[in-house]
Amino acid sequence: QVQLAESGGGVVPPGRFLRLSCAASGFTFSYFGMHWVRQAPGKGLEWLAFISHDGNLKYYTDSVKGRFTISRDNSKSTLFVQLFSLRPEDTALYFCARQGTANSGIDSWGQGTLVTVSS
Amino acid sequence: ESTLTQSPTFMSATPGDKVNISCKASQDIDDDLNWYQQKPGEAPIFIIQDATTLVPGISPRFSGSGSGTDFTLTINNIESEDAASYFCLQHDDFPYTFGQGTKLEIK
Repeated sequence: QVQLAESGGGVVPPGRFLRLSCAASGFTFSYFGMHWVRQAPGKGLEWLAFISHDGNLKYYTDSVKGRFTISRDNSKSTLFVQLFSLRPEDTALYFCARQGTANSGIDSWGQGTLVTVSS
Repeated sequence: ESTLTQSPTFMSATPGDKVNISCKASQDIDDDLNWYQQKPGEAPIFIIQDATTLVPGISPRFSGSGSGTDFTLTINNIESEDAASYFCLQHDDFPYTFGQGTKLEIK
């Protein structure tokens, strides 16, 4: 059973840094690409970033390119995202999600960790 | 970058109804479109893969159709448990993009 557990969220002032983690279990983490997706309060889903199974390929949406960095540690079955220069509009629930096989898009989601950017 | 336009953004249905939710892509994405259901306070659930394939374990009352730029999620014989928001996702190319979502209310 796929399990994804995000952590690291909290309340931070604008301009600060935060690192989110996602602990994966129930599958062979090193075989799968992974994503970060966020959802602002009362809003829809926004795709943020992807990292390939081996970490060699990374893609970002334009709104976070240069400010967010996705990474992974396959030895610890953990996905990360570093959030730099946080802005109030980055306030959201951040989900990690697994890429399905054969380029089938996202097939599993964590429960999310809440990031609030406020002074 | 392919943008997705979902409609309607809100709809209300009565148990037993059939509903259709539309998702239109700004460019041809073949069949690289998924549908997700999300209930308040919960993570999304994967319900339709590659436009038409029902994810194992999902009720057969859900079905998907379309290819290219026009896609539809259909829910037959609506039940109260179907009250949720529904999102489409294109996975044809990066950056992936989501539709704005459709909130389904059950009367």
